[in-house]
Amino acid sequence: KNQVEQSPQSLIILEGKNCTLQCNYTVSPFSNLRWYKQDTGRGPVSLTIMTFSENTKSNGRYTATLDADTKQSSLHITASQLSDSASYICVVSATRLTGGGNKLTFGTGTQLKVEL
Amino acid sequence: DTEVTQTPKHLVMGMTNKKSLKCEQHMGHRAMYWYKQKAKKPPELMFVYSYEKLSINESVPSRFSPECPNSSLLNLHLHALQPEDSALYLCASSQVVRTVVSYNEQFFGPGTRLTVL
Repeated sequence: KNQVEQSPQSLIILEGKNCTLQCNYTVSPFSNLRWYKQDTGRGPVSLTIMTFSENTKSNGRYTATLDADTKQSSLHITASQLSDSASYICVVSATRLTGGGNKLTFGTGTQLKVEL
Repeated sequence: DTEVTQTPKHLVMGMTNKKSLKCEQHMGHRAMYWYKQKAKKPPELMFVYSYEKLSINESVPSRFSPECPNSSLLNLHLHALQPEDSALYLCASSQVVRTVVSYNEQFFGPGTRLTVL
């Protein structure tokens, strides 16, 4: 069964500090992994997308890593800001099958709170 | 236009009411989705439309009735809902390439916060 697990479940950090969120997956065959940021009561917004051959990808203060061998990904946030407070969701997609497609497998998210 | 819009933003309804949620995109995407998301949980897929035809129904109760009147619009008709149906309802869209739905490149709307009294 395809699964995506994230840790920690929640995290509180001070403004300006860095943090790293973890994602472990068992989705197979792997196609890509995407990190989303979801503000409370809003739809998810894509931060990064990584395919099998990519080890790292950055988007501003967000840097995602992927280890396809160990099936792990991380999202590193640098110099956190109050506006970074949100849920961060790891979403993994399996390789499309001929004539069809696979659903996304969502992680349960990490709730990040950035405080003064 | 790279946006998925949803209306209304908030909806409060009684268990005997009939209401509809609307979703619109103008990115030329031919796959559209409805998700249900409870607080602090990941989104759960409800329906997928491909080329305006229902391709996936994740065993959703019949009190939820989707409709795709054209390639830009997706509706979710609600009738006789239960309080446990209160949630954030998300719409998403993605491309379809040579009949294959690009599930992994979905754009999400902001959601409709539904409260059933």
